[in-house]
Amino acid sequence: DTEVTQTPKHLVMGMTNKKSLKCEQHMGHRAMYWYKQKAKKPPELMFVYSYEKLSINESVPSRFSPECPNSSLLNLHLHALQPEDSALYLCASSQILAGGQDTQYFGPGTRLTVL
Amino acid sequence: AQSVTQLGSHVSVSEGALVLLRCNYSSSVPPYLFWYVQYPNQGLQLLLKYTTGATLVKGINGFEAEFKKSETSFHLTKPSAHMSDAAEYFCAVTTGTASKLTFGTGTRLQVTL
Repeated sequence: DTEVTQTPKHLVMGMTNKKSLKCEQHMGHRAMYWYKQKAKKPPELMFVYSYEKLSINESVPSRFSPECPNSSLLNLHLHALQPEDSALYLCASSQILAGGQDTQYFGPGTRLTVL
Repeated sequence: AQSVTQLGSHVSVSEGALVLLRCNYSSSVPPYLFWYVQYPNQGLQLLLKYTTGATLVKGINGFEAEFKKSETSFHLTKPSAHMSDAAEYFCAVTTGTASKLTFGTGTRLQVTL
């Protein structure tokens, strides 16, 4: 089973709202990722968690706050977003293998619209 | 540093024709290479990957790719296109640095009758 689930599928929020995106995997993977994808562009890495600890933050604005409560769950808390933050947010997970041969498996994404 | 170049942002083929999507990489160390497919409003699905070993890699849905070190290429092929192959295809590379995938800009495959 190589399934990563994400909820919600769609989210519309105002610039003053607080919302959260959720990602879950049960493959025993110890690395989890958040990506942002704008239309007709490749995914852009936002955050990486390794063994439940934040290992990479690609200079993402503080209005995006990631959280990894346990090895299966990854959240992305959203606050005071801007309309330009509207995008498809993808979660991925992978094993952590020597030499970086790990394969990332992606969820279906959350389509976020900021009004 | 690693990078990926996908030649052709848009490729159109007839149903039943050969599919060839081009990917060239740049890496100072042996790369690990991936092809992902993305259908509209969906996430990325792994088609195939090259890590070590056999340079001709077979993936899902009849796709395959060949790692050619001398040409720094990892082109994706399928002998006979099907309408259901219409999607966006991304080539990606990692060299093991903190599992950071570097994606190409993507190629949109259109399949016509």
